[in-house]
Amino acid sequence: DTAVSQTPKYLVTQMGNDKSIKCEQNLGHDTMYWYKQDSKKFLKIMFSYNNKELIINETVPNRFSPKSPDKAHLNLHINSLELGDSAVYFCASSRRGGGAGETQYFGPGTRLLVL
Amino acid sequence: SQKIEQNSEALNIQEGKTATLTCNYTNYSPAYLQWYRQDPGRGPVFLLLIRENEKEKRKERLKVTFDTTLKQSLFHITASQPADSATYLCALNKAAGNKLTFGGGTRVLVKP
Repeated sequence: DTAVSQTPKYLVTQMGNDKSIKCEQNLGHDTMYWYKQDSKKFLKIMFSYNNKELIINETVPNRFSPKSPDKAHLNLHINSLELGDSAVYFCASSRRGGGAGETQYFGPGTRLLVL
Repeated sequence: SQKIEQNSEALNIQEGKTATLTCNYTNYSPAYLQWYRQDPGRGPVFLLLIRENEKEKRKERLKVTFDTTLKQSLFHITASQPADSATYLCALNKAAGNKLTFGGGTRVLVKP
């Protein structure tokens, strides 16, 4: 059983389109995250939710909108896609998220290519 | 601004030797430092966590040190094996909140 799963695995789309990436975790964790890993392999936090509440919101264009229907799911919707959005997007989860030093469990990633 | 630096050049090492990776940081006071492994096409996988008041942590063939004076962590893989070939990421965490800030990773290639 996959602990943190993401769909789709690959996403190729045209500039200007709107797309969504879905994430689900079956670990019973309270906190979920979205990261972006660019071509230089730097992994940067975008958002995190704790029990459906937004707790981390980094400097991300407002074309990116996370949605958490319940604590096991965190989806990422991207409007008006741009070339610079091409990257690998990782979802992750951690047990609580209120304290520091928690292990994060990552999904397999979604490879987004904007043409 | 906060900066976390890992050697961006790949580390080529002979099987059986010890691989040593560095993670240096500036303008940051982490309470925790974590190391993750990332294989091509996959998400990072947690390996070890060390707290600011700990000098060293071990897990099987892995050893991590944390020197808050030098603002540096060293990650050692002893008796390295080809299966250890991957990219290793360090990540820093402050005392409050669970925001992890990652370094750029160091790729390790263990040759048989």
